Amino acid sequence: NAGVTQTPKFQVLKTGQSMTLQCAQDMNHNSMYWYRQDPGMGLRLIYYSASEGTTDKGEVPNGYNVSRLNKREFSLRLESAAPSQTSVYFCASSEGGRGGNTIYFGEGSWLTVV
Amino acid sequence: KNQVEQSPQSLIILEGKNCTLQCNYTVSPFSNLRWYKQDTGRGPVSLTIMTFSENTKSNGRYTATLDADTKQSSLHITASQLSDSASYICVVSVGAGNNRKLIWGLGTSLAVNP
Repeated sequence: NAGVTQTPKFQVLKTGQSMTLQCAQDMNHNSMYWYRQDPGMGLRLIYYSASEGTTDKGEVPNGYNVSRLNKREFSLRLESAAPSQTSVYFCASSEGGRGGNTIYFGEGSWLTVV
Repeated sequence: KNQVEQSPQSLIILEGKNCTLQCNYTVSPFSNLRWYKQDTGRGPVSLTIMTFSENTKSNGRYTATLDADTKQSSLHITASQLSDSASYICVVSVGAGNNRKLIWGLGTSLAVNP
């Protein structure tokens, strides 16, 4: 079972460049999430999607855009990368509503902005 | 302010020994409490999820307890193995429905030495 698959695994960007992190899940989950994880801080929610075509801002949405292309896919876009966006990004999914059930995570995407 | 605090920050034990990790939370209204295991360089993996009415839940050698009165949880690992070396993260769900939010602790870093 693939579960939650995200790409790329590693990426180095220059300040001001744009990129999109891709995520897909094969568990037929309605809810999908994008988190970032930084040293000394707990995981922080960037965006949440309850279903295809719907997205909600999380705790730290500034500088990011998302797209729920269909039930399987949820992408995260950095339009103009900044060094503060250097982080590890995790895509996740769950059945049912927001945070109510077990959340399954991808393997992470390590992003460095120089 | 909603908070989740974990202790100790890090722990080193010998293979085969038991250990207990602590989680104290200050949240309202409480929905559920989860423990996740995160191996280095990987995404978090769910170990247990407990609601208000559950005070013990096991997953193999992992046993989580919850005391909703004192707002404390513990994760007990029995007969530790080298593969238990990881970060263990306590996560508390606050609120309900579309207002539900997850509060992530910073984790306890466990090293199991041979």
